[in-house]
Amino acid sequence: SQQGEEDPQALSIQEGENATMNCSYKTSINNLQWYRQNSGRGLVHLILIRSNEREKHSGRLRVTLDTSKKSSSLLITASRAADTASYFCATAGVNDMRFGAGTRLTVKP
Amino acid sequence: DAGITQSPRYKITETGRQVTLMCHQTWSHSYMFWYRQDLGHGLRLIYYSAAADITDKGEVPDGYVVSRSKTENFPLTLESATRSQTSVYFCASNPGINYGYTFGSGTRLTVV
Repeated sequence: SQQGEEDPQALSIQEGENATMNCSYKTSINNLQWYRQNSGRGLVHLILIRSNEREKHSGRLRVTLDTSKKSSSLLITASRAADTASYFCATAGVNDMRFGAGTRLTVKP
Repeated sequence: DAGITQSPRYKITETGRQVTLMCHQTWSHSYMFWYRQDLGHGLRLIYYSAAADITDKGEVPDGYVVSRSKTENFPLTLESATRSQTSVYFCASNPGINYGYTFGSGTRLTVV
């Protein structure tokens, strides 16, 4: 079964707005990662946050992790039409990583 | 320098046939993974390998076989393809658990 579950399943916003996606998981983790997938393509790694970190930034991306609540959020600021894609959280255990079903983000120009 | 390549890109096969999907990486990453992606299920782990000659089952291993005789190659074989194995298959690699994955472009497999 999937480890992470993203919320919402779909999100539609206007260009320039911020997009927030949430991820909940069930078991202990080494780290949590976020990926982007454009339609018909492979997944692209965005950011990794370790279990002892609470917040991480990369460009317009901000990720938070709350291990007590077993949840994470991905914030994309000042969204662009090119950010339209599916976003997946993935939780890393001892040797492998499990993905959620993803959030489909649409950014309207 | 393609990084991680999957072949074929598209494959149509008949029920009951054996089919092998190839995955090759050029970085000598220790870990390699096979996932399948289906609507409504996200990505599900089929098999993974922590090093050459070491493989382990993931969430959905039934009907699949893997091998890793060389660090750079991790083929996935469907021994007797079934329609339920129609999916998009992704191979990925990384140097270790605290690194992001690099994914291949995927193989779209249709079993008729």
